[in-house]
Amino acid sequence: DQQVKQNSPSLSVQEGRISILNCDYTNSMFDYFLWYKKYPAEGPTFLISISSIKDKNEDGRFTVFLNKSAKHLSLHIVPSQPGDSAVYFCAASFLTGANSKLTFGKGITLSVRP
Amino acid sequence: NAGVMQNPRHLVRRRGQEARLRCSPMKGHSHVYWYRQLPEEGLKFMVYLQKENIIDESGMPKERFSAEFPKEGPSILRIQQVVRGDSAAYFCASSPLGTGEKLFFGSGTQLSVL
Repeated sequence: DQQVKQNSPSLSVQEGRISILNCDYTNSMFDYFLWYKKYPAEGPTFLISISSIKDKNEDGRFTVFLNKSAKHLSLHIVPSQPGDSAVYFCAASFLTGANSKLTFGKGITLSVRP
Repeated sequence: NAGVMQNPRHLVRRRGQEARLRCSPMKGHSHVYWYRQLPEEGLKFMVYLQKENIIDESGMPKERFSAEFPKEGPSILRIQQVVRGDSAAYFCASSPLGTGEKLFFGSGTQLSVL
């Protein structure tokens, strides 16, 4: 049962343009959402997060939007840079529960063309 | 402040042998999580441990797999009698509070079973 879904396996964008990475979830009890970035042969690194009490969080070129009614979040990267080429994982958790594990999607491979 | 340390980076085992993967969390972190990434798949939760306690092992296969996080020393993920299907990247993550906020990941151990 895939509780966090990233339905598009890959995305290719031109340098300087906007990258939009989408993520859907099925469990309405999730109250915290995160995006991780992963390069080959490295561990995932934290990028940005958002609490369910917000609908937007911004950090430099990265913005995450949350639509709770649609159980959907998206990561916007603008402008995209070649160094952004990596696999991006969406994750969700329960901030208020006793179990703090993160549930991850399958990831999206982003390629930014120079 | 060193990050999450995993060793070995690469581990080759023949079918039927045992694999031991080690993880030292970040300094001050007492919550450890193990994840597995199979080829072309996302990060799958395996087990969540605090010092000397297993909090959640719902993602662990019922047989051959075990994990521990002793009072002293690193966390160990142990796979007995490995099979080819165990070939994967195994990632360890840690957090200071175990509250469902971001996890800090190590670089992973790539296990190859011949």
